[in-house]
Amino acid sequence: GQQLNQSPQSMFIQEGEDVSMNCTSSSIFNTWLWYKQDPGEGPVLLIALYKAGELTSNGRLTAQFGITRKDSFLNISASIPSDVGIYFCAGRDYKLSFGAGTTVTVRA
Amino acid sequence: NAGVTQTPKFQVLKTGQSMTLQCAQDMNHNSMYWYRQDPGMGLRLIYYSASEGTTDKGEVPNGYNVSRLNKREFSLRLESAAPSQTSVYFCASSEAGKTDTQYFGPGTRLTVL
Repeated sequence: GQQLNQSPQSMFIQEGEDVSMNCTSSSIFNTWLWYKQDPGEGPVLLIALYKAGELTSNGRLTAQFGITRKDSFLNISASIPSDVGIYFCAGRDYKLSFGAGTTVTVRA
Repeated sequence: NAGVTQTPKFQVLKTGQSMTLQCAQDMNHNSMYWYRQDPGMGLRLIYYSASEGTTDKGEVPNGYNVSRLNKREFSLRLESAAPSQTSVYFCASSEAGKTDTQYFGPGTRLTVL
């Protein structure tokens, strides 16, 4: 399948912080998706992007479809404790490929 | 409206045993999918069913079989389990033509000893 590199692998957040993560691909995608997975649950779709350069928000989450069509970014503003979980990117050319995820935990 | 349900939640098998993972959705979706999730890797598609009566192989189909029993139900069968099949298995569904918007079940955590 396609190689999707998601970074960072893990991060710690402090309440109120803005955090960012990104996903890069070796190939061009037509669609970028961002999912969140809570412990013991399945992934839930957060944001879908369909056009290069597109910037879309869902509450405190903002995602961008990179203009090269090989990358995407997710920003979380003003983190809260329930933002912890695993965030996955996924990209579609002729099929859907998933990144390995960014694990977000709260800094003690 | 339960969405996508999966049974069982947890299962331990011995090498060579067989079992069937069950999945059902109540959203009247045409398409259903089975994925596996392994540490450090993204979700990988095992099999999918674009509509009732059809099934197709995904990225990692070896060692698995599926049955689309009706529009609601899509089962995954391991005929002879191997330790390499230790994983978390997710079922998902989507409306026809909206394959990007997939709704996932809570997963089945399978350990093969």
